[in-house]
Amino acid sequence: QLQLQGSGPGLVQPSETLSLNCTVSGGSITDSYYYWGWIRQPPGKGLEWIGSIYYTGNTFYNPSLKSRVTISVDTSKSQFSLRLSSVTAADTALYYCARARSKQYFDYWGQGALVTVSS
Amino acid sequence: DIQMTQSPSTLSASVGDRVTITCRASQSIASWVAWYQQKPGKAPNLLIYEASRLESGVPSRFSGSGSGTDFTLTISSLQPDDFATYYCQLYKSYSATFGQGTKVEVK
Repeated sequence: QLQLQGSGPGLVQPSETLSLNCTVSGGSITDSYYYWGWIRQPPGKGLEWIGSIYYTGNTFYNPSLKSRVTISVDTSKSQFSLRLSSVTAADTALYYCARARSKQYFDYWGQGALVTVSS
Repeated sequence: DIQMTQSPSTLSASVGDRVTITCRASQSIASWVAWYQQKPGKAPNLLIYEASRLESGVPSRFSGSGSGTDFTLTISSLQPDDFATYYCQLYKSYSATFGQGTKVEVK
């Protein structure tokens, strides 16, 4: 059974960079049929797609976040990562990592990692 | 950017009711729509993809329809386990946009 486990600091200072990792187990991150994505959900609010990556490193991002987002992949560790720079309180959210089928809908999700931006 | 407008934001219903949730895209997206169910404290769960294809393991009381700009998720007979929040999602040209969500609550 595929599992995704997100990890990273739960508290980030304003103006700093948020960093999260997602470890994939029970399946291959290099499976050619799938992409790997990040989605976030502010407390009590809806879902926002952040971006996705293919195992080759090809990425695409939400235009509204593109200037601050970097997603990378390390196939040797079965991990993909999110970096979001210059964070503010508006970036406080539950951050999910997920597997995307080629058309970018998400069939497996991690449990979510809560990140709070506060001094 | 293509926008998705989901309605209603809240829906009150009883067990056994037929429930319909709609999403409208700001431009045609063929059939590139997925639907998810999310329960409190849990990650979303994929129900429907390509507008009408039922994900494996999802009960047949869930169905999706539509193409172009207008899409519908229907629960034919609401069960106690179905009280949750539902999201539509468009996917096109390697981008994804979620609707605002519909909370299905007990009437």
